[in-house]
Amino acid sequence: EPEVTQTPSHQVTQMGQEVILRCVPISNHLYFYWYRQILGQKVEFLVSFYNNEISEKSEIFDDQFSVERPDGSNFTLKIRSTKLEDSAMYFCASSEGVSQPQHFGDGTRLSIL
Amino acid sequence: RKEVEQDPGPFNVPEGATVAFNCTYSNSASQSFFWYRQDCRKEPKLLMSVYSSGNEDGRFTAQLNRASQYISLLIRDSKLSDSATYLCVVNVTSDSGGYNKLIFGAGTRLAVHP
Repeated sequence: EPEVTQTPSHQVTQMGQEVILRCVPISNHLYFYWYRQILGQKVEFLVSFYNNEISEKSEIFDDQFSVERPDGSNFTLKIRSTKLEDSAMYFCASSEGVSQPQHFGDGTRLSIL
Repeated sequence: RKEVEQDPGPFNVPEGATVAFNCTYSNSASQSFFWYRQDCRKEPKLLMSVYSSGNEDGRFTAQLNRASQYISLLIRDSKLSDSATYLCVVNVTSDSGGYNKLIFGAGTRLAVHP
């Protein structure tokens, strides 16, 4: 069964550094998403991406965050200057259409020191 | 009011029991509905979509009541492997269909014991 893949599985970074989290969505999917889950809390929407542009973003997704689809397969989330509160599990997801189920990657655990 | 509200549990049940989870949502723009399960420190995995007519997948039955903005999940003959957190999820879509996002409940923890 096709799946969403994410790298790295765990990223440890000093506060203030830039991080790039990578995702390869399912190949025939057209809609891409990033979510995060702080330990012990619920999954929160960050951003949705379609047709090479952001279609919706949450309040969490401020100027420090950006997304890119640099080629036909990768979808990346960049945090420019990380803060302690960015520590969380980051999940990438993709779907065929807006009402179709989203399928999640197994996440990147981001730890900011 | 929380956008998606669930009983946090935990529900501790013996193997073979029937267990029911309930969920309410507040956003009337919600257009599709799902149950996901999440194991500890893992990604959410789609369990099933939820339709107004009700739908069943083996031991799992899901129901949606749009008028009361209520979603349910019933698990029959529970197994040890059903132990997980069950996430009620609504998909909010813009009027134009140009964007959508999933809104997650905080989840209900289920522990099935021998």
